Amino acid sequence: GAGVSQSPSNKVTEKGKDVELRCDPISGHTALYWYRQSLGQGLEFLIYFQGNSAPDKSGLPSDRFSAERTGGSVSTLTIQRTQQEDSAVYLCASSQDRGLGYTFGSGTRLTVV
Amino acid sequence: SQQGEEDPQALSIQEGENATMNCSYKTSINNLQWYRQNSGRGLVHLILIRSNEREKHSGRLRVTLDTSKKSSSLLITASRAADTASYFCAYFNTGGFKTIFGAGTRLFVKA
Repeated sequence: GAGVSQSPSNKVTEKGKDVELRCDPISGHTALYWYRQSLGQGLEFLIYFQGNSAPDKSGLPSDRFSAERTGGSVSTLTIQRTQQEDSAVYLCASSQDRGLGYTFGSGTRLTVV
Repeated sequence: SQQGEEDPQALSIQEGENATMNCSYKTSINNLQWYRQNSGRGLVHLILIRSNEREKHSGRLRVTLDTSKKSSSLLITASRAADTASYFCAYFNTGGFKTIFGAGTRLFVKA
């Protein structure tokens, strides 16, 4: 597609439920990032995928968070047993290669009630 | 923490004035990038400056990089109300795998 697409754009879920967030990067972009941004804050790195290499998961805040990228394209970020502190905007970005300028999606605003 | 630091955290100016935002970082870098964010959603890439460059221009934007001081600045000239947004620096450190973002500067341009 022309840009990075994220779905859903908004998600309200009850505490304890699992949620799945989806990111469709720009076709051909080998690098894909997930970031999290709390209200008024900077971007918190979560996970990075580069081609067929093992992902860098060093930013995932707990084992309730996981992500996968199928076929080097679409990525899903799963949060199990959601907590209120998980409420944030989850941003996905892709790039032709690591270190180059990133194209961001519009994000998924997750609210855990 | 490897996170970059930006100052000021917030900046309020009149339309037509210049806005300067600064970013400092802690590691050796391959490049440094500036992004703009409106309304707390997706970021838009503005400009990338490589570690062997000292200055770069794009329209009303001017970015400088001083690798000896591990700092960069973003200058927006002749600001407009539409420039109101949060601005983030981000850098790709040498030998690393992830782009690291600063905490951002919130710019408010009054018409």
